[in-house]
Amino acid sequence: EAGVVQSPRYKIIEKKQPVAFWCNPISGHNTLYWYRQNLGQGPELLIRYENEEAVDDSQLPKDRFSAERLKGVDSTLKIQPAELGDSAVYLCASSLSKPGNEQFFGPGTRLTVL
Amino acid sequence: RKEVEQDPGPFNVPEGATVAFNCTYSNSASQSFFWYRQDCRKEPKLLMSVYSSGNEDGRFTAQLNRASQYISLLIRDSKLSDSATYLCVVSQGGKLIFGQGTELSVKP
Repeated sequence: EAGVVQSPRYKIIEKKQPVAFWCNPISGHNTLYWYRQNLGQGPELLIRYENEEAVDDSQLPKDRFSAERLKGVDSTLKIQPAELGDSAVYLCASSLSKPGNEQFFGPGTRLTVL
Repeated sequence: RKEVEQDPGPFNVPEGATVAFNCTYSNSASQSFFWYRQDCRKEPKLLMSVYSSGNEDGRFTAQLNRASQYISLLIRDSKLSDSATYLCVVSQGGKLIFGQGTELSVKP
C-alpha cells in the first residue's frame, strides 16, 4: 500500500514569491496534518483536518499561509508571499480518526527561500 | 519553556553500548506518549508508544512517569543502524507535540 505522497520534494524560490505543496494521504485516512520542521527541531503542527474540515489551525500564520482539503482527500498548503524564515521542511501526515492512532508521515518538501 | 524538552545530544556511543534518552513534558493533561525515530533527511516514523507500566520492544525499553512528567527510552546493545534522531512526542487532544529530538551516533 502506498504511503503518504508529497510533491515537490524540493523547492527553491526567491523571497516574496508564492509556493504550494501538495499531499495525498494514505487511502482511508480521514485525518490529515501539515507540519513544519526547522533544522535541529521537531515538527510543529500547522493545521489538522478531519475530512475537509480544518479542526485545528491555531498555529497556521494566516497572513501568508493557507491550506485546503476540498474533497477530504488531497490537500494543498500555500505560502504567499514567502519569507526567508519560511525555509524548512514541510511534512504532511495522515491517520485514522480515532485519537491516539499512529500518524504516518510523508517524505516532506524541503523549501529554501533565497 | 518548551512543552516537550529533550537532551539535544549528540550522543556518540560505541556499538554494544547502552544509551538512555530523557524527556520531560509540561502539560499534565497530555494523554498519550510516543518515541519517534527520524533518520537523516527522512520523515519521522513511530518507534514505540509509551505506557505507564513501561514497555519493551526487543532492545528498546520505554518508561513513563506521569507524576514527574518524565519519559525515557533505553536502547541496549546499540547497533550501527540505531544511529538516528529520537523524538519524544506527547499527544494532547489529537495533536502531537514533538520535542526537538536527540541525535544518536553509534560508532564501530
